[in-house]
Amino acid sequence: GENVEQHPSTLSVQEGDSAVIKCTYSDSASNYFPWYKQELGKGPQLIIDIRSNVGEKKDQRIAVTLNKTAKHFSLHITETQPEDSAVYFCAASTSGTYKYIFGTGTRLKVLA
Amino acid sequence: NAGVTQTPKFQVLKTGQSMTLQCAQDMNHEYMSWYRQDPGMGLRLIHYSVGAGITDQGEVPNGYNVSRSTTEDFPLRLLSAAPSQTSVYFCASSQPDSSGANVLTFGAGSRLTVL
Repeated sequence: GENVEQHPSTLSVQEGDSAVIKCTYSDSASNYFPWYKQELGKGPQLIIDIRSNVGEKKDQRIAVTLNKTAKHFSLHITETQPEDSAVYFCAASTSGTYKYIFGTGTRLKVLA
Repeated sequence: NAGVTQTPKFQVLKTGQSMTLQCAQDMNHEYMSWYRQDPGMGLRLIHYSVGAGITDQGEVPNGYNVSRSTTEDFPLRLLSAAPSQTSVYFCASSQPDSSGANVLTFGAGSRLTVL
């Protein structure tokens, strides 16, 4: 069946360094790719998303890139801060349907 | 706006007991869904609803029932709890945008332990 692979499962970076999380999806019909951040004891929250007609999107320290040909998309966090420590989930979805496949999550630790 | 409210936050059950996890949203979203989160497995869709009176199965529906009598509420029922249902459960609501994309708003989660 369709799936989304996410790597790495854990990532530790020094404060101020960059972090990159990568996802690969299998369903060619996917055209919406959100990223969610989950802090301890809370539900996931959308932090950025990208649609298939766009190759890159930025929002301050966060950026997402999409390579539709290779079915890859990545989350980039620059100048990491301790409050960026959380679990991050990628997902692939198809507009017009409720189909939503999540990656297995990446636990990011930013070391002060 | 409260967003998506889940109750209870924690619950311990014995095998075979039944219970209902409650979910309510105040954003007038059409879509609501239930996910379970297990270590190393991400979020897996249990059931979803695209409107009042309409429900459908997700990836892991066995052992769970849902109903959607109002736009606001989407309860998840466990009829006979099993240890395999020990998990953290998240309810989410969404309203498709003009392009049909769904941005999910999640509740804070309900941690269920089945002994």
